[in-house]
Order: sequence, then structure tokens, then C-alpha cells
Amino acid sequence: AQSVTQLDSQVPVFEEAPVELRCNYSSSVSVYLFWYVQYPNQGLQLLLKYLSGSTLVKGINGFEAEFNKSQTSFHLRKPSVHISDTAEYFCAVSSAQGGSEKLVFGKGTKLTVNP
Amino acid sequence: GAVVSQHPSWVICKSGTSVKIECRSLDFQATTMFWYRQFPKQSLMLMATSNEGSKATYEQGVEKDKFLINHASLTLSTLTVTSAHPEDSSFYICSQGKGAPVEQFFGPGTRLTVL
Repeated sequence: AQSVTQLDSQVPVFEEAPVELRCNYSSSVSVYLFWYVQYPNQGLQLLLKYLSGSTLVKGINGFEAEFNKSQTSFHLRKPSVHISDTAEYFCAVSSAQGGSEKLVFGKGTKLTVNP
Repeated sequence: GAVVSQHPSWVICKSGTSVKIECRSLDFQATTMFWYRQFPKQSLMLMATSNEGSKATYEQGVEKDKFLINHASLTLSTLTVTSAHPEDSSFYICSQGKGAPVEQFFGPGTRLTVL
């Protein structure tokens, strides 16, 4: 089974500042990793995903994440945030073996970008 | 891309009534569909997974007789909350799987309020 820990429930930052949202996972098998964004009263939108290959993954809206297998982490970063990045961000993991398609989500990090 | 719609986007019902939520994939055929619920300020919890033409697989603790899932076709899945009670009030989100490895595409969610 997999689990996901998002270390920060809330992250306030000022506009144009860099941000890092932390995500650690636990799994006995190899995994796929995802970051999703959720705006109020909406579904989830995929920001980026790691399936294999390069450990640095670039996504939409200027976000990127780095898969670190030794530290079992998949932190999300953006060098300069905008007001419109204010949202809830979820890290998720699924098993890369056995055909399991289930996603296990972290509890989410609320990013608030202040002017 | 892959577009998933849900209907209705919100619903208010009286305690004891049943509510049906539809989830449709608009531009692809989904092999697998997933239903999640999300309580306020919390993460998504998987309720069940279904494949077209077969019975849904429910997660532990989810009452299959209360949350009826019908996966009628490759583009349509429905979730019926039977005899709804106030504690069933939640945000219900569906997702549809596509590709190998499976990537999930999420609907916009349905806000259910049971009075």
C-alpha cells in the first residue's frame, strides 16, 4: 500500500516569490507520482506527473517537480507565483506495478498568494 | 486532452430521498471510472472503482447498498446515493481512466447537501 504526506497544510506567500510545496510518499513498490490543483468548488486539474525517465518534471502554469527516490519525495516548485495560483494542491501516488490504478492522495496544501 | 463532465454540479435534497449523479467522458472512452468524496478542507477519499459492464469494487468502509454505482457504458457512470442523510453531504468527484499507465481525468464535482 502507498501513503502520501504533505508536510504543510497551508503555505502563504507574496506574489512573485518562489514557492515549494512538499510531498513525501511511502511505498514498497515503484510508483507513479502526480500533482493536482483544485480551485474552489471545482474538480482536480493535473499539474504534472512522473512516470519514468527524467526526475525533473515540468508541468503547466510554470510548475515543476523533482522526483527523489532516495528521499521518497516529490516536491512541487514554482520560481515566481501569481495571485491566480491561489488554490489547493494535492500530491498523489499510484503503484507502478500490478496494474493498480488507484490514486492515493495527500491531505492537500492550501497555497495563498498575497499581493 | 480528456474532458469529463458531471451533472448536476450541485444538489440539495431532503433526508431520506435518493440522488443520482452522472459522470460522462466527452471525448474519450474510459476503461475505468473512479468515484471519490471530499469533505470540507480534506483530501479526496476513493469510494469505488468500476469497469464497464462489471460490478464496482468498493473501498473498505463504503456501503455498496447505499452508494450504488452503475457503469453503463464506456462514457457514462452514475452514482446514486440512496436514502440520503445529512452526513452524506459532501463533494463527490468522479474520474475516468485512460491510457497505459492509466491517467485519471477528473470531473468538476457535485456538491450534495442533504437537509
